[in-house]
Amino acid sequence: DAKTTQPTSMDCAEGRAANLPCNHSTISGNEYVYWYRQIHSQGPQYIIHGLKNNETNEMASLIITEDRKSSTLILPHATLRDTAVYYCIVRARIQGAQKLVFGQGTRLTINP
Amino acid sequence: DTAVSQTPKYLVTQMGNDKSIKCEQNLGHDTMYWYKQDSKKFLKIMFSYNNKELIINETVPNRFSPKSPDKAHLNLHINSLELGDSAVYFCASSQRSDTQYFGPGTRLTVL
Repeated sequence: DAKTTQPTSMDCAEGRAANLPCNHSTISGNEYVYWYRQIHSQGPQYIIHGLKNNETNEMASLIITEDRKSSTLILPHATLRDTAVYYCIVRARIQGAQKLVFGQGTRLTINP
Repeated sequence: DTAVSQTPKYLVTQMGNDKSIKCEQNLGHDTMYWYKQDSKKFLKIMFSYNNKELIINETVPNRFSPKSPDKAHLNLHINSLELGDSAVYFCASSQRSDTQYFGPGTRLTVL
């Protein structure tokens, strides 16, 4: 499984864009980058995923570098409810399933 | 409607007991998973079933036995509970290797 590296913690002011970086320098060509978040011991919540191109949905944007060795999750207008641990995961595909290997994640704190 | 549900939400029991945690998904997915999150907050996959067939089986003690009666259910039975089994257990589901969706978790405390 490709290993990911994320900062342990980050702070962001409410209303500002939160940019969460992730390094995955050993990613293989067919491996996707997934982002999940976990709010205070709730179940992990899917945010977004991508392969090569930048992606955007109602929650966030995902920017993947051209060499695919790093990516950035962008929460465009952070709110207090976005305070959570954010996990960047490179998905290992097994026939019929996906194996998510969670690292330590980034603890994002949104300050009022 | 809850997509992935788990029961019970909290489970407190004595060492040596046998207990089960139930998981149900109404997403129509064919693959289900169990994860364990310990006190250090690391989340690790334990098992995965696809169409009732075990396809991921990480290094987990034999005391843990998943059971999948049908595609919508994956239960986790734990024999001879130990202190180290105290953790939050999360169930998840996906359609084959697509995006996984997690349940709310079951907090198990072994006394």
